[in-house]
Amino acid sequence: QVQLQQWGAGLLKPSETLSLTCAVYGGSSSGYYWSWIRQPPGKGLEWLGEMNHRGNTNYNPSLKSRVTISVDTSKTQFSLKLNSVTAADTAVYYCARGPPYCVGDVCSFWYFDLWGRGTLVTVSS
Amino acid sequence: QSVLTQPPSVSAAPGQMVTISCSGSSSNIGNNYVSWYQQLPGTAPKLLIYENKKRPSGIPDRFSGSKSGTSATLGITGLQTGDEADYYCGTWDSSLSAGVFGGGTKLTVL
Repeated sequence: QVQLQQWGAGLLKPSETLSLTCAVYGGSSSGYYWSWIRQPPGKGLEWLGEMNHRGNTNYNPSLKSRVTISVDTSKTQFSLKLNSVTAADTAVYYCARGPPYCVGDVCSFWYFDLWGRGTLVTVSS
Repeated sequence: QSVLTQPPSVSAAPGQMVTISCSGSSSNIGNNYVSWYQQLPGTAPKLLIYENKKRPSGIPDRFSGSKSGTSATLGITGLQTGDEADYYCGTWDSSLSAGVFGGGTKLTVL
């Protein structure tokens, strides 16, 4: 049974870089896109971006200049970096498997069938 | 303001049926597949419906999905107190070249 386990720093100061990693246990990191999604306290879900094992990426345009997603297929891990964080970046960050594939920069079959447990990241001075 | 519009809340009695709507446009729901997620308090979202109406293994057939034009609907029959959760729709937006979620709907089982 494939599981996702995520970890990273939970408390950051403004202007620092958020860094989270998600490991894929019981399966391969190829054959899918791997995504990061966040949820500010008491609010809804926001997709941050996705990457597949070939290095193809799609990012949320509103965060594109600050977000980097990478995949290490040898370790079956993928990571998120978000730089220059502010209090507005305080949220629970989830890693997720999906979408299953995209054609160019269009991901019509867009869904996430496996999620990590989430990491609360708080940005405070 | 979310690209996809969901009602903030819905409620129904145990055993009854409820529907949750998700309204979008031709650039998202109208031309891409919709998925639905259930988020129980304090937990990660869980996939309920993908590709508009398909259910992953283990999801009971009390949950159903449909799509018509630029709107999608999640239906839940035989409501149970354990169904109390937040529900989100999601899809790809071809104009934004980004994935988008609805704002979420809180289901209360009275």
